[in-house]
Amino acid sequence: AQKVTQAQTEISVVEKEDVTLDCVYETRDTTYYLFWYKQPPSGELVFLIRRNSFDEQNEISGRYSWNFQKSTSSFNFTITASQVVDSAVYFCALSRDAGGTSYGKLTFGQGTILTVHP
Amino acid sequence: KAGVTQTPRYLIKTRGQQVTLSCSPISGHRSVSWYQQTPGQGLQFLFEYFSETQRNKGNFPGRFSGRQFSNSRSEMNVSTLELGDSALYLCASSLTLVEQFFGPGTRLTVL
Repeated sequence: AQKVTQAQTEISVVEKEDVTLDCVYETRDTTYYLFWYKQPPSGELVFLIRRNSFDEQNEISGRYSWNFQKSTSSFNFTITASQVVDSAVYFCALSRDAGGTSYGKLTFGQGTILTVHP
Repeated sequence: KAGVTQTPRYLIKTRGQQVTLSCSPISGHRSVSWYQQTPGQGLQFLFEYFSETQRNKGNFPGRFSGRQFSNSRSEMNVSTLELGDSALYLCASSLTLVEQFFGPGTRLTVL
């Protein structure tokens, strides 16, 4: 069975602070995908990034960066110089490689509520 | 390109009734998945459809069902509603069968 754990239920920071959201996953699969989604108050889940299990290269996109470490089964997300607009719930998710009973199924963590104060 | 659309956005029903939710995927996307989001259980996978066929199903009772049409639009139905069915129902579509793009959701309240 797959499992995603986001230990931080809520994080509160002041604007311009850096913040890291932790994600730890469990899977017996050798190939899989990891994702981060953002859910603003409107409710829609916004896709942020996908990472393949065989690609451990870290990625940076503007103020966002992701650190994937297979050895520790972690896929952490850092926001640099946070802004009020970053306030949202952030979800880490895991899916099996396409095929069989994995079709369309994302396993989500419980989410981390990030509040950025001006 | 238009995103995933879901109708209605809000719905209020009473226990015992049934409800049908609709989802229109991004143009060209043939895979549609449904999720239920509640404060207690979080985001849980309901089912996935591709080319009008259900390929995967989550651990939900048979009261939850769905279908997909030839234009890839999908509907999900919940019969004999229970208070615990109150939730945000999210639909997602996919082109690559990996990334999923979500709609705004339908918020269902069961009284």
